[in-house]
Amino acid sequence: DQQVKQNSPSLSVQEGRISILNCDYTNSMFDYFLWYKKYPAEGPTFLISISSIKDKNEDGRFTVFLNKSAKHLSLHIVPSQPGDSAVYFCAASAQAPGGTSYGKLTFGQGTILTVHP
Amino acid sequence: EPEVTQTPSHQVTQMGQEVILRCVPISNHLYFYWYRQILGQKVEFLVSFYNNEISEKSEIFDDQFSVERPDGSNFTLKIRSTKLEDSAMYFCASSVDIISPLHFGNGTRLTVT
Repeated sequence: DQQVKQNSPSLSVQEGRISILNCDYTNSMFDYFLWYKKYPAEGPTFLISISSIKDKNEDGRFTVFLNKSAKHLSLHIVPSQPGDSAVYFCAASAQAPGGTSYGKLTFGQGTILTVHP
Repeated sequence: EPEVTQTPSHQVTQMGQEVILRCVPISNHLYFYWYRQILGQKVEFLVSFYNNEISEKSEIFDDQFSVERPDGSNFTLKIRSTKLEDSAMYFCASSVDIISPLHFGNGTRLTVT
């Protein structure tokens, strides 16, 4: 299933700099996108989301950008902190038949972010 | 902050045995989900559950799998006759409504020998 792809398996950034994580999708029915962070031995933790009617959403140090024509989204973390070191997953969904939920998420394979002090 | 709790954290079972993975979703959430992640692979959707019935399921969720909300707090995933390829981390998740982000538990690592 290659509907959601994160082409960079890892990213290394210096503390204080910007981290940019990228994600591409192929299914034009996707209209809701999320980023999750995952530490070892824990479940994914929600970070930020964006619906297809917007092209940017910001929450503190985290900003998600959506380019619908390119089917591309990115997560910017500014400034990056050592505690941000984790696996970052991009996920996408489309409303289920009958409008029951956006809970069927299709995940990318994840990008390991390492922020060096 | 309220969280989704899953038990056990690790379950080892023999091929062909039945297993039940347990989850307590966040108390005011109405939508419940199971996902799994086979080692080295993506997190993948199994099933969603709302109003005491399955609302959507993936091709993985065949007749060997079932879900239940036996009381007001628990949400379970049963695998009737486990296979080696069922070995994975199983994540339970819940959301408060149709559009809200999913909150995941820490997972149950299922090992089938």
